[in-house]
Amino acid sequence: DAGVIQSPRHEVTEMGQEVTLRCKPISGHDYLFWYRQTMMRGLELLIYFNNNVPIDDSGMPEDRFSAKMPNASFSTLKIQPSEPRDSAVYFCASRRDRVVQWTEAFFGQGTRLTVV
Amino acid sequence: EDQVTQSPEALRLQEGESSSLNCSYTVSGLRGLFWYRQDPGKGPEFLFTLYSAGEEKEKERLKATLTKKESFLHITAPKPEDSATYLCAVLLTGGGNKLTFGTGTQLKVEL
Repeated sequence: DAGVIQSPRHEVTEMGQEVTLRCKPISGHDYLFWYRQTMMRGLELLIYFNNNVPIDDSGMPEDRFSAKMPNASFSTLKIQPSEPRDSAVYFCASRRDRVVQWTEAFFGQGTRLTVV
Repeated sequence: EDQVTQSPEALRLQEGESSSLNCSYTVSGLRGLFWYRQDPGKGPEFLFTLYSAGEEKEKERLKATLTKKESFLHITAPKPEDSATYLCAVLLTGGGNKLTFGTGTQLKVEL
């Protein structure tokens, strides 16, 4: 498997513009997570899905952020309008559900977003 | 409030100089503690999962241990390729699938 695939790898946009980040999870994984990483706050969970259904979006900072998972192989994180403080690295991760023990999440390479 | 604290923030070692990284946690209930390695420009890469106090896991030069209040990542005779940021994360009871990460220890191993 190619792992979790994110696109684009880098995005530079102007303040006020809409930004869409994309993620393809590992095939067969039941959970998909969106994280944001900054120097100040480290890795923060924004939202996660189970079987394409959003379960916990309490980490989404504002209404400007939205996420969708229309099918098991694709998810988007959208920021509209974008602001400079949204500049960060955004990671997507996925994991397979297991009844007995919690299994590890696999992370993508991330999208480095710069809002100027 | 649930907290995960990693120390030191940065560590510089000479090749072959063994040391330990610390992850202390103050949480209401722990389901699991995870160690990840992150290289610059890449996503975190899974290393270990620990579920109960007293548990230990090993992989090459790395050994992770867990007590009721903290976890250690021991690095024995490190090599330059072990240079990376090491992240710990906790999964809490009643926390669903939310992993709470520490801010990491940036390790540099020099020749």
